[in-house]
Amino acid sequence: NAGVTQTPKFRVLKTGQSMTLLCAQDMNHEYMYWYRQDPGMGLRLIHYSVGEGTTAKGEVPDGYNVSRLKKQNFLLGLESAAPSQTSVYFCASMSTKQGTRNQPQHFGDGTRLSIL
Amino acid sequence: GQQLNQSPQSMFIQEGEDVSMNCTSSSIFNTWLWYKQDPGEGPVLLIALYKAGELTSNGRLTAQFGITRKDSFLNISASIPSDVGIYFCAGPFSGGSNYKLTFGKGTLLTVNP
Repeated sequence: NAGVTQTPKFRVLKTGQSMTLLCAQDMNHEYMYWYRQDPGMGLRLIHYSVGEGTTAKGEVPDGYNVSRLKKQNFLLGLESAAPSQTSVYFCASMSTKQGTRNQPQHFGDGTRLSIL
Repeated sequence: GQQLNQSPQSMFIQEGEDVSMNCTSSSIFNTWLWYKQDPGEGPVLLIALYKAGELTSNGRLTAQFGITRKDSFLNISASIPSDVGIYFCAGPFSGGSNYKLTFGKGTLLTVNP
């Protein structure tokens, strides 16, 4: 059971470079999310998607773009990397609500990104 | 945005001791979730709470949804070394989108064998 898979697991970039982080889920979940985790800050939502072809801004969207061309994939892009974007990035997915109970989010193992 | 106040920030305990941590908010939550993050991995759901006053156990873990809907606690009994990690509370606050979670800043637990 793969669940949520993030690639790459580690990356070092120079300031100004661009890159794309890939998230893939095999659970047929509608919702997908990108978070960043910084020491002492918990998890902060960057962007999210409620379905294929849709994206929305989260708490800290500046400097990032996302795309959800296929239901199972959610891509996070950094157009021009900055040292402040050094962080651990987590992708999560969630199925739609069933009855009155919110479904939990399932997380990948993270991408550790360093910007020099 | 909405904030969750999670405490303590960190705990250093001896193996076998009980642990208690909590989350509070100024806003009402519809659901409380407790996650654990092992070093180098993503958060994993431990317990989900769906109504005020609910008390739920998962092995040595027990969590409760506060009656006011503004707080929750997590207890770990008879801690073992593999309990080490960061524990997060989370939930969608009432009046917000059910599919967006707010996370606490985490409690870092260290267990000395």
